[in-house]
Amino acid sequence: GQSLEQPSEVTAVEGAIVQINCTYQTSGFYGLSWYQQHDGGAPTFLSYNGLDGLEETGRFSSFLSRSDSYGYLLLQELQMKDSASYFCAVSPPRSNQGGKLIFGQGTELSVKP
Amino acid sequence: GAVVSQHPSRVICKSGTSVKIECRSLDFQATTMFWYRQFPKQSLMLMATSNEGSKATYEQGVEKDKFLINHASLTLSTLTVTSAHPEDSSFYICSAREGRGGPFNEQFFGPGTRLTVL
Repeated sequence: GQSLEQPSEVTAVEGAIVQINCTYQTSGFYGLSWYQQHDGGAPTFLSYNGLDGLEETGRFSSFLSRSDSYGYLLLQELQMKDSASYFCAVSPPRSNQGGKLIFGQGTELSVKP
Repeated sequence: GAVVSQHPSRVICKSGTSVKIECRSLDFQATTMFWYRQFPKQSLMLMATSNEGSKATYEQGVEKDKFLINHASLTLSTLTVTSAHPEDSSFYICSAREGRGGPFNEQFFGPGTRLTVL
């Protein structure tokens, strides 16, 4: 099975950099994804790591280390609109689980002025 | 990006009634759709995987007779909550995945349906 752990809450100030960690115990997966969800809204895709290393997309970067069973999402130049919940998710092996996503518990990020 | 819609966005019903929620992919064909449930301040819990033209695959602990899923076309999947009870009150979100191949296909999420059972 899969189990993903994230901090429940993180607080930071505008303009700062924040890192949201995701540690996992899983029997195998294709990659680690990150999603953002504003209160009451739909999750939106932020980033995906299929291979170890850093992926950069604008202000957001994501990192994966399979050997350490660890990944993180890095948000730079924080803005008030970044206040939201952030979820890491894994894609279990396609052979038996059809491309679905298993989500972590989510991290609520609060950006203060 | 691809757009997924859900209808209705909010529904309030009496205990014992059934509620149908529609999930549509508006500008792409979704061979696979997923249904999630999310309680306040909690994560998205996958309920079932819906494949066009075949029976849905339910996650462990999800009652398939209570949560009926139909994926009749490449753009529409429906979730029917039968004999709803207050504990079924939740935020139901669908997502759609385009194509079958490759280890990763981005999922596009609908805006969710807030169900309140009185």
